[in-house]
Amino acid sequence: AQKVTQAQTEISVVEKEDVTLDCVYETRDTTYYLFWYKQPPSGELVFLIRRNSFDEQNEISGRYSWNFQKSTSSFNFTITASQVVDSAVYFCALSEIGVTGGGNKLTFGTGTQLKVEL
Amino acid sequence: GAVVSQHPSRVICKSGTSVKIECRSLDFQATTMFWYRQFPKQSLMLMATSNEGSKATYEQGVEKDKFLINHASLTLSTLTVTSAHPEDSSFYICSAKGAARESPLHFGNGTRLTVT
Repeated sequence: AQKVTQAQTEISVVEKEDVTLDCVYETRDTTYYLFWYKQPPSGELVFLIRRNSFDEQNEISGRYSWNFQKSTSSFNFTITASQVVDSAVYFCALSEIGVTGGGNKLTFGTGTQLKVEL
Repeated sequence: GAVVSQHPSRVICKSGTSVKIECRSLDFQATTMFWYRQFPKQSLMLMATSNEGSKATYEQGVEKDKFLINHASLTLSTLTVTSAHPEDSSFYICSAKGAARESPLHFGNGTRLTVT
């Protein structure tokens, strides 16, 4: 069975601080995808990143960066110089890759509520 | 722009009535669609997986007779909540992907259902 743990329920930071959201996962699959999504108060899911388990390179996209450590089954997400607009719930998720393309049902973590204050 | 359109975005219905939620892929053929439910301040839980032309596969604990899923075409899946009750009030969100193994997964914007 797959499991995603986001131990941080809520984080509050002051604008311009850096913040790291933790994600630890469990899976028996040897290949899998890891995701991060942002869910603002309006409810829609905003896709941030999809990482293939083959690729352990860290990734940076603007103020966002991701640290994938297969050895510790972690896929942490850092926001640098946080802004008020970053306030949202962030979900980490895991899926099988799927042989025929019919996979990709996601197992979500419980989410981390990030509040960025002025 | 959105590649998956979900409608309606909000719906209020009376207890005992049925509600249909549509999920459409706008510019790709969605061979597989997924339906999730999210209770307030909780995570998203997969309800069912539907492949075009086949019966949906429901997750454990999800009543298939209550949550009817139809995926009759490559661009449309519907979720019907039958005989809705207040405890069915939730945020329902669909996602869709194409047939290729590396096809990205696209989410709709969700439907907030309130049963009074």
